[in-house]
Amino acid sequence: GDSVTQMEGPVTLSEEAFLTINCTYTATGYPSLFWYVQYPGEGLQLLLKATKADDKGSNKGFEATYRKETTSFHLEKGSVQVSDSAVYFCALSERGNQFYFGTGTSLTVIP
Amino acid sequence: ETGVTQTPRHLVMGMTNKKSLKCEQHLGHNAMYWYKQSAKKPLELMFVYNFKEQTENNSVPSRFSPECPNSSHLFLHLHTLQPEDSALYLCASSQEALGGRETQYFGPGTRLLVL
Repeated sequence: GDSVTQMEGPVTLSEEAFLTINCTYTATGYPSLFWYVQYPGEGLQLLLKATKADDKGSNKGFEATYRKETTSFHLEKGSVQVSDSAVYFCALSERGNQFYFGTGTSLTVIP
Repeated sequence: ETGVTQTPRHLVMGMTNKKSLKCEQHLGHNAMYWYKQSAKKPLELMFVYNFKEQTENNSVPSRFSPECPNSSHLFLHLHTLQPEDSALYLCASSQEALGGRETQYFGPGTRLLVL
């Protein structure tokens, strides 16, 4: 069945460091891929998405490219800020209403 | 602000209490969802409603009872809960088209503590 695997956290970075959070997926067809972010005490917010192979989703300096050949959707940001501290979830949706979420990666950015 | 609101934001209840969680979406979507988020566990989909009809019930205990009176409102009725039901309960909505794969928009969640 469909599934998402993302790197274990927690991740701690200094401000202005480069961020990569790995995400790989398993799907039988052509899913849409998403990154959601959850700030402390809040619900999940859509960060970016990509709907087909080679698409690049981007928002707030974050980027992720839909790689069908490696079944990956890694999240990157060139220079993180303290305000980026949150939990990041990779997710896919292939058919119907079913979303498959990863377990989340906690990011802490220190000044 | 995502257009999905949830009340209450925090709830403490005893195991013999009955309470309800409320979710409202202002996005004109036709599908709504309840998720449970527990510490150190993946997000668990509990219920899905499409056009007010329940289409998914992922083996959720009967002490959780959903209600969807219209496409904008979703309730989760709680009774005789257990301490292990303490979690963050998230509501989401989406505009479902044929084939799915639409973005889900989440509310802020209700933090539930069962004593």
